[in-house]
Amino acid sequence: AQSVAQPEDQVNVAEGNPLTVKCTYSVSGNPYLFWYVQYPNRGLQFLLKYITGDNLVKGSYGFEAEFNKSQTSFHLKKPSALVSDSALYFCAVRDMNNQGGKLIFGQGTELSVKP
Amino acid sequence: DSGVTQTPKHLITATGQRVTLRCSPRSGDLSVYWYQQSLDQGLQFLIQYYNGEERAKGNILERFSAQQFPDLHSELNLSSLELGDSALYFCASSKRQGGNTEAFFGQGTRLTVV
Repeated sequence: AQSVAQPEDQVNVAEGNPLTVKCTYSVSGNPYLFWYVQYPNRGLQFLLKYITGDNLVKGSYGFEAEFNKSQTSFHLKKPSALVSDSALYFCAVRDMNNQGGKLIFGQGTELSVKP
Repeated sequence: DSGVTQTPKHLITATGQRVTLRCSPRSGDLSVYWYQQSLDQGLQFLIQYYNGEERAKGNILERFSAQQFPDLHSELNLSSLELGDSALYFCASSKRQGGNTEAFFGQGTRLTVV
């Protein structure tokens, strides 16, 4: 079965420091991977996606993600965290076995950036 | 603003009742997905429609049903509601189904069953 895992429920970072939110995946074949962010009482906002090509993907709000096939990981990164980055982050993989191609989400990681 | 509109934003209803959640996808998007978000289950896929036809079903209860209309808006019907159905229900849309296209989410409907 295809799945994603986010091993950390919560990540705490000081403002200005680099941040990493981890994601590992399990799929058959080449994955389509996505990161979304959810602010309180809001829907999920698309940040970035990996389809193919360059392993470093750049997205919205200064975020980027590194695809590592050998480690089956797709970690979200930002060089310098902002307090406003505090939110719930979801990693997702496209279900390639299903005609509808739904997104399968990880459990989410709560990012807290302190001043 | 994602361009996906969900109504109502909040809904409080009693056990045993029936409610309808509505979703208007982004202009031009043919695919609509419904998800349920709860604290203990995370984001669970319920059902997907593409251009009016059901294409995939997830862990959707028999008490729940959905449809997509010719104008592409979708409705999720929840009946015989139980306390455990309290959750945030999201609709998402994308131009195609599957592949490399991202899905755009609405702001959700928060359902509280009392």
